[in-house]
Amino acid sequence: DGGITQSPKYLFRKEGQNVTLSCEQNLNHDAMYWYRQDPGQGLRLIYYSQIVNDFQKGDIAEGYSVSREKKESFPLTVTSAQKNPTAFYLCASSIGEGLAYNEQFFGPGTRLTVL
Amino acid sequence: GQNIDQPTEMTATEGAIVQINCTYQTSGFNGLFWYQQHAGEAPTFLSYNVLDGLEEKGRFSSFLSRSKGYSYLLLKELQMKDSASYLCAYMDSNYQLIWGAGTKLIIKP
Repeated sequence: DGGITQSPKYLFRKEGQNVTLSCEQNLNHDAMYWYRQDPGQGLRLIYYSQIVNDFQKGDIAEGYSVSREKKESFPLTVTSAQKNPTAFYLCASSIGEGLAYNEQFFGPGTRLTVL
Repeated sequence: GQNIDQPTEMTATEGAIVQINCTYQTSGFNGLFWYQQHAGEAPTFLSYNVLDGLEEKGRFSSFLSRSKGYSYLLLKELQMKDSASYLCAYMDSNYQLIWGAGTKLIIKP
């Protein structure tokens, strides 16, 4: 079965700690994305990557970092510099950028709560 | 601020029809997507429109008017399992998706 996995589903951390959220896909997609979802707001793009070893900041990249060492993996680190990290984080992938029809497939999400 | 807008919440009755509207403003447009998201779960793809008109897919249809910056999702023969949030998103000139806040649809028996 092809798809996107995120782990863990729920994550609790103390304020001031860095935390890394994992995202793995076996769809052979080139592009991967990280979104943050807060109540009453649309999905907001944190970072995206079109190809291995390359990534770009989205609209709300401050306080976050990513890496793309493998095509299948796009982990997101929420650093202590992120002022309001408690949120639902969604990872997505798509065939590639620059395509008008570019359906994004989403992972199940990680709900991060910072205590 | 966001330049894509959809109602926050709608209520409908099981077996009925509901139309969820989405309006947007953008200078570059590469299509409009509708996704369904059940509470606490991942969004799942419903439809994509890039040309004006109605696309029908089973109980769900999606309409687009590019000149008006307007789309709607039409759900027929509503079922309880259709209770979810419905997200619209347009693809801008950089091929990035710009998301609306979502419409929470409540289905009553």
